Amino acid sequence: KAGVTQTPRYLIKTRGQQVTLSCSPISGHRSVSWYQQTPGQGLQFLFEYFSETQRNKGNFPGRFSGRQFSNSRSEMNVSTLELGDSALYLCASSLLLAGGHGVNNEQFFGPGTRLTVL
Amino acid sequence: EDQVTQSPEALRLQEGESSSLNCSYTVSGLRGLFWYRQDPGKGPEFLFTLYSAGEEKEKERLKATLTKKESFLHITAPKPEDSATYLCAVPPQGGSEKLVFGKGTKLTVNP
Repeated sequence: KAGVTQTPRYLIKTRGQQVTLSCSPISGHRSVSWYQQTPGQGLQFLFEYFSETQRNKGNFPGRFSGRQFSNSRSEMNVSTLELGDSALYLCASSLLLAGGHGVNNEQFFGPGTRLTVL
Repeated sequence: EDQVTQSPEALRLQEGESSSLNCSYTVSGLRGLFWYRQDPGKGPEFLFTLYSAGEEKEKERLKATLTKKESFLHITAPKPEDSATYLCAVPPQGGSEKLVFGKGTKLTVNP
């Protein structure tokens, strides 16, 4: 079974530009979450999507947005890039059971997109 | 606020020297504790899920255990290829897939 894939793997942008990152979850997984990883802050939750709906959002400015398509693929967008947005952006998918209550399932991560803002 | 604290931040071991990593958490109604391994420049690789106090899981040289306040990742007779950053994470209260991660323990195993 193919794992989580993310494209592109590397990006270099300049301040003020915008960027779109893509994530394809494991086949059959309907929940997709996004995380930002930096050396200082570690892994920080950005948002989670299930059935094309954002279920949860982390403490990030409105410049960070995302969406999920009917095939569970997800994209995240960062507008008006700042130097501090340089990070490894990770996508994770999980097999969310109906209702999503009770215990959590394992999340499987993709390789990440390394974004450098100059 | 739900928190996850890992210790030590870094650990150097000689090959064959066993040790343990700690993950303490403050979340009520634990819905799972997850251990991941992360190599430089790569995404975290899933290792274990623990759901209830007293539960243990093993994989090769790794064994994860869980109490009501913390989890341990025991590494027995480590090899250089076990060198990585080990992360633990818990879902906070609220019923979503969000995970709160610790800062990780960077393990280096010298030959």
